[in-house]
Amino acid sequence: ETGVTQSPTHLIKTRGQQVTLRCSSQSGHNTVSWYQQALGQGPQFIFQYYREEENGRGNFPPRFSGLQFPNYSSELNVNALELDDSALYLCASSFNRGLNTEAFFGQGTRLTVV
Amino acid sequence: GENVEQHPSTLSVQEGDSAVIKCTYSDSASNYFPWYKQELGKRPQLIIDIRSNVGEKKDQRIAVTLNKTAKHFSLHITETQPEDSAVYFCAASKYTGANSKLTFGKGITLSVRP
Repeated sequence: ETGVTQSPTHLIKTRGQQVTLRCSSQSGHNTVSWYQQALGQGPQFIFQYYREEENGRGNFPPRFSGLQFPNYSSELNVNALELDDSALYLCASSFNRGLNTEAFFGQGTRLTVV
Repeated sequence: GENVEQHPSTLSVQEGDSAVIKCTYSDSASNYFPWYKQELGKRPQLIIDIRSNVGEKKDQRIAVTLNKTAKHFSLHITETQPEDSAVYFCAASKYTGANSKLTFGKGITLSVRP
């Protein structure tokens, strides 16, 4: 098991509401990436945080936002939830050392929007 | 942007046989290629990875080969066991000094028949 933990594990929200998902990165890791995994699909990159700043963003609207804290943990916030936002949200932590390094995933948060 | 495709989408093999899963990528600048295994309801788990300066890498029953000219890489599993049954995702990444986002394929469901 990796040291990446996410909370909550499951969440049900109503369309139009806002949600915050949390991720604690593995010890020694300084980079957190967030991915959305729809049913039957591969994970899609949302954004990455390094040294508390957004460090790359995928094709997601601005209502998807995030934070990284000094201890490298991170939050994903989604405003104005839509039905299509229902998915498994995964965070992955890695160590940015000037080249690609292994990314380890948390168990995910299953978000259902009704 | 990068596009990663996996073929086939499902694969069924007899226990003890070998399985080969292929992926193609579009961006010749991609330089890191991990493979993840995801069991039902669990997190994606890194099983092996390869960098663009290497043509092949092995780890016990698992190997990955990379053909940069053809822009494809393959996962090879020998002596398959029922516990190898899972969804396998390939991914590609291009470290730009800014971020190392992973672009995933859609996944392949491997079934190992006892």
